Amino acid sequence: DTGVSQDPRHKITKRGQNVTFRCDPISEHNRLYWYRQTLGQGPEFLTYFQNEAQLEKSRLLSDRFSAERPKGSFSTLEIQRTEQGDSAMYLCASSLADSSYEQYFGPGTRLTVT
Amino acid sequence: DQQVKQNSPSLSVQEGRISILNCDYTNSMFDYFLWYKKYPAEGPTFLISISSIKDKNEDGRFTVFLNKSAKHLSLHIVPSQPGDSAVYFCAASERGMLTFGGGTRLMVKP
Repeated sequence: DTGVSQDPRHKITKRGQNVTFRCDPISEHNRLYWYRQTLGQGPEFLTYFQNEAQLEKSRLLSDRFSAERPKGSFSTLEIQRTEQGDSAMYLCASSLADSSYEQYFGPGTRLTVT
Repeated sequence: DQQVKQNSPSLSVQEGRISILNCDYTNSMFDYFLWYKKYPAEGPTFLISISSIKDKNEDGRFTVFLNKSAKHLSLHIVPSQPGDSAVYFCAASERGMLTFGGGTRLMVKP
């Protein structure tokens, strides 16, 4: 399977704990994106990377959120001191830089903060 | 403020008929528009896109129409099949960052 993969698929955590999610993009894609989707809403953009560089961050990405893409391949999204409002589906997508609008999504990580 | 809006939360269509899903936007800087389909427990699947300089793009049973003056786009599915039942999101791209509408649940009845 050469699509976008995400791990874990589900995460339940207690409020105040830190969590980390991983995304592996399509191998030849140099852009990687993180989105968040809450129930009944469309995905909302969080941040994106071109290769290792983080080029854009949404104001939705509070100081408790950090994303990395250290070698320009996989990416991690960490949430520190989780809050109940962080409960959502976290989606990763990837694309080629010259057709960045055409993004391919992974299955998502569903986070539940209790 | 919602820059991309899908005003119909759901749509029910008979198999074989046309499904028309609508989307409105407010930002004139969007350069591409896209439609995604989403099944439960899966990520959105890319369906079709259109550049802001075009007014129509067709791919098999799917056609997207763009009316820039009205800031409106629509997705036509002809003929509709039961397997098309899913949530459809329209999205607009500005420098590669996608803004999504809230989705329309399409149900195609056999």
